Amino acid sequence: ETGVTQSPTHLIKTRGQQVTLRCSSQSGHNTVSWYQQALGQGPQFIFQYYREEENGRGNFPPRFSGLQFPNYSSELNVNALELDDSALYLCASSLGSGRVPDTQYFGPGTRLTVL
Amino acid sequence: QKEVEQNSGPLSVPEGAIASLNCTYSDRVSQSFFWYRQYSGKSPELIMSIYSNGDKEDGRFTAQLNKASQYVSLLIRDSQPSDSATYLCAVNGGNFNKFYFGSGTKLNVKP
Repeated sequence: ETGVTQSPTHLIKTRGQQVTLRCSSQSGHNTVSWYQQALGQGPQFIFQYYREEENGRGNFPPRFSGLQFPNYSSELNVNALELDDSALYLCASSLGSGRVPDTQYFGPGTRLTVL
Repeated sequence: QKEVEQNSGPLSVPEGAIASLNCTYSDRVSQSFFWYRQYSGKSPELIMSIYSNGDKEDGRFTAQLNKASQYVSLLIRDSQPSDSATYLCAVNGGNFNKFYFGSGTKLNVKP
């Protein structure tokens, strides 16, 4: 167990809807990264939050957005869901300075299915 | 060219053998390298990290890094059936706060 928790575990939505996924980071960690993992692929970096600020972003459209709260928990929001958004969404927490890459520990993930 | 490349496998080895997993990366300024194990339907779990050229050993696992060749490998000694999983190589991008993962190598350890 990494101490990183995510909710919900599974989620089914229809195309065009909006979804919010949640992550609680490991105690003492101030950095949260979100990844999308399609079946048979490696995780793809969505974005990272460090001390409540977005600290880097991958090649995902603006309909993917996020937040980090003062307790370092985080949300991933996806608007206008598309079928291709069906994937395992992973949250990873780390203790970073915001300037040095640090070991990331993953939560159990949220399986999103878009119909 | 993908940032991180791995052979998708499957790699099949008999129980007790050495499994060798390889990874190449494209960004020469990458600083940190990680191996994760992922069982089917589960999230990745960290096996090892390596930051300097050479070998790093942890129990049955040895990570090897060669920055000049942009190559990272993972050796698993005395492979067990419980090692059967997909192994993911992760590399931080030149922009330090991005991590790139390979597609993973599926390892099957046969009893």
